This record gives sequence, C-alpha cells and structure tokens, in this order.
Amino acid sequence: GQQLNQSPQSMFIQEGEDVSMNCTSSSIFNTWLWYKQDPGEGPVLLIALYKAGELTSNGRLTAQFGITRKDSFLNISASIPSDVGIYFCAGQLNSNYQLIWGAGTKLIIKP
Amino acid sequence: DAGVTQSPTHLIKTRGQQVTLRCSPKSGHDTVSWYQQALGQGPQFIFQYYEEEERQRGNFPDRFSGHQFPNYSSELNVNALLLGDSALYLCASSARQGQGQPQHFGDGTRLSIL
Repeated sequence: GQQLNQSPQSMFIQEGEDVSMNCTSSSIFNTWLWYKQDPGEGPVLLIALYKAGELTSNGRLTAQFGITRKDSFLNISASIPSDVGIYFCAGQLNSNYQLIWGAGTKLIIKP
Repeated sequence: DAGVTQSPTHLIKTRGQQVTLRCSPKSGHDTVSWYQQALGQGPQFIFQYYEEEERQRGNFPDRFSGHQFPNYSSELNVNALLLGDSALYLCASSARQGQGQPQHFGDGTRLSIL
C-alpha cells in the first residue's frame, strides 16, 4: 500500500538533545498528523495540522505543515527518557478519509 | 470518558480459520476505521464504516469484511486466515461532522496465525 517517506528510520540521541524528523509525499494532503506509538499500545495523537504553513506546538513538540502540502516535520526539544518510542506521520486527503502513514521513526535515548 | 476499546487484546488462530475482532469507539464518535499494522511498519488502511455502511476501502481482499452497529461499535471479520494475516489490527474512531476531527486509536488486537 501507499506510504509516506519518513526519515530518519531511527535516531540515537543523548537526553537533553533536540530531535527533528520529517515526512514527504508525492501527493498533496490537506491534513498532516503526528502520532507516537509505544510497545504494545496503539498510536497516540501528538499534533494535528490542517493548513499549509501552519506551525503548531504541544509542549516540547513542534510540527509544521509544509507550504507545498507535500511535507511535514516534527521537532522535539530537550528530549527526556519518556520520549522514546516510534513516531509516525500520517497524511489525510480530506477530513474522514483514510490515513496514509509513514514507516515510522524510532527514537532511542542513549544512556 | 472512555477512549477507543478493542477486544480481544491477543488472539491465536490457525490457517484457514475465521476471526472476529471488536471495537467500541470513543464517546461522541460515529465513524470507525480499521487498520492492519505489520511488525516494523506503519498501519495500512483496511476500511471505514459510517452509518452502518462501508464508506471507503483500502487494498485488502474480500476475505476482510466488517460491520457497524447502531451504537457505532464495529467488528472486523477475516475469513480463510493466512500466515500473512498475522499483525496488529487497530481500530480508530472519529467524529464525522466538522473539520479537524482526527482519528483516535485503540491499543489493537494482536493476531497470530500458526
């Protein structure tokens, strides 16, 4: 099935570092969503973006909806141990349409 | 306020069997979507139900079918199970009306086919 191009695939960082990940698509989306999934659990919504150019924050997380509507990025500032997990981007053509997903970015914090 | 709940949490079946997975949406949500997530991959859309009808369908064979009940809960049925059907099956609910109604997910059903 169709997937978005999400990078990096994994990240090894020190606690306190900033993190950046992004997603690109060959298709235009009208909604971009970022989810986090912990082992044994379902994806949890972090940030939803509905307008090209929109920049939205949720605590230490900031995400932007690319101006071309074909990309989005997520930044995490001052990472902490509970940030470990897999982060997924998802694009949606219109409200109530299916979500198209990236393959995920696995965040690992080095001891 | 209960979120999306799925049952069972784990299930083991053998090839050729049939399985039914269940989902109760978040309070106030009327639309249910089902996704299949293979290990190490992002979820893949199976189908979506609204007003007790299948509204959208992904690239999955007819062995995958579903149902939505008047209380908005939903079932996913898979017939003639194959080894490749082993995956985490996720249910997501959302509110149909209004812009900005993101999908919220349950913790999934882990299906293993032997």
